Amino acid sequence: QVQLQESGPGLVKPSETLSLTCAVSGYSISSGYCWDWIRQPPGKGLEWIGGFFRSGNTYYNPSLKGRVTISVDTSKNLFSLKLTSVTAADTAVYYCARRGAAAGTGVDYWGQGTLVTVSS
Amino acid sequence: SYDLTQPPSVSVSPGQTASITCSGDKLGDKYACWYQQKPGQSPVLVMYQDNKRPSGIPERFSGSNSGNTATLTISGTQAVDEADYYCQAWDSNTGVFGAGTKVTVL
Repeated sequence: QVQLQESGPGLVKPSETLSLTCAVSGYSISSGYCWDWIRQPPGKGLEWIGGFFRSGNTYYNPSLKGRVTISVDTSKNLFSLKLTSVTAADTAVYYCARRGAAAGTGVDYWGQGTLVTVSS
Repeated sequence: SYDLTQPPSVSVSPGQTASITCSGDKLGDKYACWYQQKPGQSPVLVMYQDNKRPSGIPERFSGSNSGNTATLTISGTQAVDEADYYCQAWDSNTGVFGAGTKVTVL
């Protein structure tokens, strides 16, 4: 059974860097699929942050203006998110997710989500 | 940037049909997915590649996508279907979500 589990600080100060890790179990990251980060501000909708595609390329939401880095550690079977220069607008539940590699296949497994609050 | 537009809310009586639309420029040329999210839970994929149901999703869920509009239809809506629904499509390797539609079963 595939499981994804986010971990990281629940509170980050403004202007600092948000760092989260997603541990994957039940499936090897190196075996395929795409691996995404998605967030949801309290009471609002979903926003795709970026993802590691099966091609080996990583793509990011242009709206985050170069503040995002997603990396993959196949030896530990996890992938990570770094978001720099955070503000209160980055307060959200952050989800890691597995998405099919074929076009239009969607996210079939989600983590439970972790709330990150940006506040001094 | 590419935008997807959904109605904020849809109300439906139990047993009736709910239709949730998602509009975007030439959306029919792309694939649309749909997610259901209940309060405090992670989203669940209910439709992919416009009209395919993942395993475990009831047959009352169906989808279509043509022109500028994708539609998720729930036939014989049940109280358990009350949730927020999000469409998603891809534009130039960027994932785009609609703002979501709250489906209320009255």
